[in-house]
Amino acid sequence: DIQMTQSPSSLSASVGDRVSITCRSSQNIKNYLNWYQQKPGKAPKLLIYAASSLESGVPSRFSASGFGTDFTLTISSLQPDDFATYYCQHTYTTLITFGQGTRLDIK
Amino acid sequence: EVQLLESGGSLVQPGGSLRLSCAASGFTFRTYDVSWVRQAPGKGPEWVSTISGSATGTYYTDSVKGRFTISRDNSKNMLYLEMNSLRAEDTAVYYCAKVRLGATRDFDYWGRGTQVTVSS
Repeated sequence: DIQMTQSPSSLSASVGDRVSITCRSSQNIKNYLNWYQQKPGKAPKLLIYAASSLESGVPSRFSASGFGTDFTLTISSLQPDDFATYYCQHTYTTLITFGQGTRLDIK
Repeated sequence: EVQLLESGGSLVQPGGSLRLSCAASGFTFRTYDVSWVRQAPGKGPEWVSTISGSATGTYYTDSVKGRFTISRDNSKNMLYLEMNSLRAEDTAVYYCAKVRLGATRDFDYWGRGTQVTVSS
């Protein structure tokens, strides 16, 4: 199975900060990489698909890049609504796996 | 508006069985693959199973193979997950998710989830 490793596991930041989260896959997954945001008690919400495509309705302060094994999600200017947990997910094979998550807290 | 509504979760004893349902609306159900994803307390999401739109293809994570069965009824816009030989480690919120058409196969819509607790 393909393993997905996110870093950092947790991150403290302030409103207005620029933050980045990385996700590394254990093998080449081309651009079959998606990012989700999850808030407590809610289902994950799709932010980015195909490594860099912004899902409809998601604010443009979210962006992402990467190909192969290394991927990055960036939030350009943190807003209060962005404090949540973020997960990457690969869909390169039918056996899908998620990263362990990055919790983004208010500093 | 796409909606997915899970039901059927409950408290069940180890070794027991449960059937989860997911009612879909707002899209042409038979056209899309759909998946089950679970999330144990304090953990990240874990993909469980996917079924193709025509139900000809089914896929499972290793830990549920032989115990769980995914199925769908396209005439009723319903997705199911039959769970047998349940274990404590199956305790989680179970979500159904719609799979986007095309190569990316991301999960673009999710339900609110249903709680499954396996405990004596």
